[in-house]
Amino acid sequence: GAGVSQTPSNKVTEKGKYVELRCDPISGHTALYWYRQSLGQGPEFLIYFQGTGAADDSGLPNDRFFAVRPEGSVSTLKIQRTERGDSAVYLCASSMERDNEKLFFGSGTQLSVL
Amino acid sequence: QKEVEQDPGPLSVPEGAIVSLNCTYSNSAFQYFMWYRQYSRKGPELLMYTYSSGNKEDGRFTAQVDKSSKYISLFIRDSQPSDSATYLCAMREGAQKLVFGQGTRLTINP
Repeated sequence: GAGVSQTPSNKVTEKGKYVELRCDPISGHTALYWYRQSLGQGPEFLIYFQGTGAADDSGLPNDRFFAVRPEGSVSTLKIQRTERGDSAVYLCASSMERDNEKLFFGSGTQLSVL
Repeated sequence: QKEVEQDPGPLSVPEGAIVSLNCTYSNSAFQYFMWYRQYSRKGPELLMYTYSSGNKEDGRFTAQVDKSSKYISLFIRDSQPSDSATYLCAMREGAQKLVFGQGTRLTINP
């Protein structure tokens, strides 16, 4: 694809439910990042994958958040027992290895927890 | 105190004006400095990338880094209505994660 694709673009769920957010990076990009952006704030780092492995997951707020990238391409961010405070735009970005200042972002998934 | 401070604005200027956007930071280990532009309901897109102190120019955009003052700037010359967006500064230490500022919301009035 031409860019980073994120699905769904919008997700509304109820407090306590489980959600999965999908990211399809640019073909050939080995590095993949998840960020979270609250209203009126800049993106905050969640997790970084280099290939299939999570190279840095220091930004995950707690153990309700988990992400996978089993084949080194598509990634899924999983949130268990959602809370209203999880409402935000979840952004995915990808980059070529060793070129990680040039991140290409998707349009994000707007998650709303009611 | 946040690692990266950025005035959220909003900032509104007439078309053709020179725009100055700024960020300060506290981590002296930051080496790479970036400016991203974000349109409404879109992801950020990279505008400028600089390493070390000094100026870098690209068309109507100039990025400036002053490491001694821990201060970075983005200047937009001959501003256009299409430049209306949120501008995010971002920086990182080595191969570490990007740290973003809050973003400045800019409107260019025709």
